[in-house]
Amino acid sequence: AQSVTQPDIHITVSEGASLELRCNYSYGATPYLFWYVQSPGQGLQLLLKYFSGDTLVQGIKGFEAEFKRSQSSFNLRKPSVHWSDAAEYFCAVEGTYKYIFGTGTRLKVLA
Amino acid sequence: NAGVTQTPKFRVLKTGQSMTLLCAQDMNHEYMYWYRQDPGMGLRLIHYSVGEGTTAKGEVPDGYNVSRLKKQNFLLGLESAAPSQTSVYFCASSLPGGGADTQYFGPGTRLTVL
Repeated sequence: AQSVTQPDIHITVSEGASLELRCNYSYGATPYLFWYVQSPGQGLQLLLKYFSGDTLVQGIKGFEAEFKRSQSSFNLRKPSVHWSDAAEYFCAVEGTYKYIFGTGTRLKVLA
Repeated sequence: NAGVTQTPKFRVLKTGQSMTLLCAQDMNHEYMYWYRQDPGMGLRLIHYSVGEGTTAKGEVPDGYNVSRLKKQNFLLGLESAAPSQTSVYFCASSLPGGGADTQYFGPGTRLTVL
């Protein structure tokens, strides 16, 4: 069965530092993968998605993610974090008619 | 173009009361979804619909019912609310790709059951 694991519940980084959020998935074939961001009190916004092709995917707000089939991973990265990036981040994998979400990683940014 | 809207934004119920959450989308999407979000558990799918007049169960359907009488609306009902249904509820919609297409989320409804 499809599943998604986000091993880090909380991450704290300083503003200007680099960021990597981890996501591991379980899926029988090449999956469709997604990263969403949820700001406090808001709904989810799509950051980026991977369907096929280039394994490095660029998204909005300066985020990127790399699909690594050998590691079953789809980690989210940003070279320099801004205070406004403080939010909760969700990785998701396609399922039949739906998404399977990870449990989320809450990012705190120190000034 | 409002995207996905949810009504109401907040609600407090007493145990045993009933209520209906309304989701509306103006993107002409075929698929619609109801999720609940609980701390440490991410988003879990309650019910979904792949078209007008059709609904299907997700991961956590017990205690909820849904209806999709119009393509643009997806209603989530709680017939007899329980404290375990205290949660934030999100509606989403997508094109017919389902899990392969981008889902667009509403702003959420925060429900408290006392």
